[in-house]
Amino acid sequence: EDQVTQSPEALRLQEGESSSLNCSYTVSGLRGLFWYRQDPGKGPEFLFTLYSAGEEKEKERLKATLTKKESFLHITAPKPEDSATYLCAVNDNAGNMLTFGGGTRLMVKP
Amino acid sequence: ETGVTQTPRHLVMGMTNKKSLKCEQHLGHNAMYWYKQSAKKPLELMFVYNFKEQTENNSVPSRFSPECPNSSHLFLHLHTLQPEDSALYLCASSQAGGSQPQHFGDGTRLSIL
Repeated sequence: EDQVTQSPEALRLQEGESSSLNCSYTVSGLRGLFWYRQDPGKGPEFLFTLYSAGEEKEKERLKATLTKKESFLHITAPKPEDSATYLCAVNDNAGNMLTFGGGTRLMVKP
Repeated sequence: ETGVTQTPRHLVMGMTNKKSLKCEQHLGHNAMYWYKQSAKKPLELMFVYNFKEQTENNSVPSRFSPECPNSSHLFLHLHTLQPEDSALYLCASSQAGGSQPQHFGDGTRLSIL
């Protein structure tokens, strides 16, 4: 059974204070690891897909990396508008089901 | 319209009522999904449809009944729900095949009285 654990559960940062979010996973044959952002009252918004260890993706202040056991979402010089819950999910070779982690709630103070 | 649209956005119903949630996608995808999101719990997959055929039913109680008349529309029929069914119900779509990202609607916030 696939498992995804995200840490920390909540993270408070000052504006401009860079940090990283962790997603540890156990999966039988990774087909893809996905990062999403979710704002209150909204559905998850797709950010990145990573397919193999060593792969990196960037978008504005966000950078996602992947190893064989975990993924990191690095946030460089965050702004208050980066405040949201960040979700990680994995898909295995069995089909197109996603297994989600519990999310990290990020709060960036001005 | 673009993306994934869910209606209604909010729904309050009694335990003996029957209601339906609707989802429509304008992305040309051929797979659609229902998820349940409860406070303090990870997103839970409920149902998967590939090319209008149900391929996954994640041990969901029979009081939830999905319907997929075509690859653009998905319904979740609700009857005799329990208070613990109160949650955010999210619809998503993707190209079939697990390596493609799923795109989500903004959900229906369901409250059971």
